[in-house]
Amino acid sequence: DVKVTQSSRYLVKRTGEKVFLECVQDMDHENMFWYRQDPGLGLRLIYFSYDVKMKEKGDIPEGYSVSREKKERFSLILESASTNQTSMYLCASLPPRGWGEQYFGPGTRLTVT
Amino acid sequence: QKEVEQNSGPLSVPEGAIASLNCTYSDRGSQSFFWYRQYSGKSPELIMSIYSNGDKEDGRFTAQLNKASQYVSLLIRDSQPSDSATYLCAVMVAAGNKLTFGGGTRVLVKP
Repeated sequence: DVKVTQSSRYLVKRTGEKVFLECVQDMDHENMFWYRQDPGLGLRLIYFSYDVKMKEKGDIPEGYSVSREKKERFSLILESASTNQTSMYLCASLPPRGWGEQYFGPGTRLTVT
Repeated sequence: QKEVEQNSGPLSVPEGAIASLNCTYSDRGSQSFFWYRQYSGKSPELIMSIYSNGDKEDGRFTAQLNKASQYVSLLIRDSQPSDSATYLCAVMVAAGNKLTFGGGTRVLVKP
């Protein structure tokens, strides 16, 4: 079974802090994604990566950056956390030649106070 | 107009009935279509994928795709209380492997 893990289930940070969210998958998938999910807004794509050291902006990249130094690991960085970044963050990976069967991690509920 | 639209619900159905969920999308170049189920506090899990016009059945679930009318639907037959969840429609547009999600339809199955 594909396993996608995220570093924390719950996280509380203060405004202005630098926040790192980590995602690891164990199935050698090239493609990885970061989404945030908010009530009434659904899942929105922040960034995605097709390979090591490659990244593409999604629909809402402002205030975020990413890092993909190893194939299995995709990190989301909030350079200076703000209260409007309080959300559920979901990481997903996609198998080779997959046409969208993304596998999701358990999510990180981030609260910025 | 949102790229992928769903009725937010809640859609309330009695146990044993058929739940019918609809999704419309705006990009005619969309190639692949997916239904995810998400229980409260959990991450989405894929339950159905469909790529060509027509129906696709998997157990109690049937996905229906009509590209000309730009809609995809999900039927849940013999609904069970365990089917109570939010169902997310997702669409892959022609370029790349990005998925665009609808806002989800909350389904409540009442015993």
